[in-house]
Amino acid sequence: DVKVTQSSRYLVKRTGEKVFLECVQDMDHENMFWYRQDPGLGLRLIYFSYDVKMKEKGDIPEGYSVSREKKERFSLILESASTNQTSMYLCASSSERGTLYEQYFGPGTRLTVT
Amino acid sequence: AQSVTQLGSHVSVSEGALVLLRCNYSSSVPPYLFWYVQYPNQGLQLLLKYTSAATLVKGINGFEAEFKKSETSFHLTKPSAHMSDAAEYFCAVRDTGGFKTIFGAGTRLFVKA
Repeated sequence: DVKVTQSSRYLVKRTGEKVFLECVQDMDHENMFWYRQDPGLGLRLIYFSYDVKMKEKGDIPEGYSVSREKKERFSLILESASTNQTSMYLCASSSERGTLYEQYFGPGTRLTVT
Repeated sequence: AQSVTQLGSHVSVSEGALVLLRCNYSSSVPPYLFWYVQYPNQGLQLLLKYTSAATLVKGINGFEAEFKKSETSFHLTKPSAHMSDAAEYFCAVRDTGGFKTIFGAGTRLFVKA
């Protein structure tokens, strides 16, 4: 089974702190994604990566950056956390091999910024 | 741009009743379509997917979905709801232009005893 793990389930940070969210997948997937999930808004794509050191902006990249130094690891960075970044953050991975395309999700990190 | 519309942010059914969750998509080419389920405090997991092999797709936990090109719909059904089906359900379509998947806003299913 594909496994996607996220470094923390719950995180509380103060306004202005730099926050790192880590995601690791164990299925050699090329693609990795970071979403935020807010009630009534569904999943919104922040950034994605289709290869090591490659990144593409999603729909809401402002205030975030990402890093992918190794194929299995994709990090989301909040440069200076703000209260409006309080949310559930979901990491996912997928493969372009065959016609799979489905995304495999981690359990999520619930971030609270105070 | 592609989009996915889920009709109804909340659906409530009685245990044993039919579950019907509606999804319409916009796509100019044959799409890859998905339904995901999210249980409380968990990530999303794949329920089923359509990849043009068959219009009626069977998934896990007794769910199925029918692809109707003429209606651009991919509604999710289950003949008899169980309490354990209470969760949030997301319809999604693979973006034809790249690696992304476009998700609907989600429908929360409540199951009454």
